[in-house]
Amino acid sequence: NAGVTQTPKFQVLKTGQSMTLQCAQDMNHEYMSWYRQDPGMGLRLIHYSVGAGITDQGEVPNGYNVSRSTTEDFPLRLLSAAPSQTSVYFCASSRQGSQPQHFGDGTRLSIL
Amino acid sequence: AQSVTQPDIHITVSEGASLELRCNYSYGATPYLFWYVQSPGQGLQLLLKYFSGDTLVQGIKGFEAEFKRSQSSFNLRKHSVHWSDAAEYFCAVGSARGSQGNLIFGKGTKLSVKP
Repeated sequence: NAGVTQTPKFQVLKTGQSMTLQCAQDMNHEYMSWYRQDPGMGLRLIHYSVGAGITDQGEVPNGYNVSRSTTEDFPLRLLSAAPSQTSVYFCASSRQGSQPQHFGDGTRLSIL
Repeated sequence: AQSVTQPDIHITVSEGASLELRCNYSYGATPYLFWYVQSPGQGLQLLLKYFSGDTLVQGIKGFEAEFKRSQSSFNLRKHSVHWSDAAEYFCAVGSARGSQGNLIFGKGTKLSVKP
């Protein structure tokens, strides 16, 4: 099993550009989430989903959109990239949100 | 508000020495507790978890953690540190609020290991 797969691994954007970070899991997990990791800040929850068609905001949702059309996929969209969104983004999945989460390897995003 | 505090930002220990990483949480109910490890450039890997029962839990790579309700703590320990343990460690607390519970992460403790 691949687990949680994130693409791309690295990306450089210019301010104002949009892009989608992809996340796919093959464990049939209902719960999926996106975090951003910044030095000294730990992981902060951006958006999460408890199942196909259901999404909700986390701690830092501004500037990001998500959708969950299938159980497997949970893409994160940056609508208009800003330098403050330079970060490492992690996708995770689990059977439920409070259960142990499986993490992808991350997407390192730089906004110039 | 729910929170997780890891008081130590950076710890250095000698190889073969014992290790304790501190984690304190603030939570209104019995929490689910986790420790994750992150090697440089990698995602997070689950070390161990506590849901209920025995308050001393064993994890992978020789790590253990003890849940102390009276101190709201879930400290991570290892008896003899190896150079490969150098990484960043995150404590997390989970809600038992059905399927909509989320994990709250501490800010992490970076572990360096001296030869």
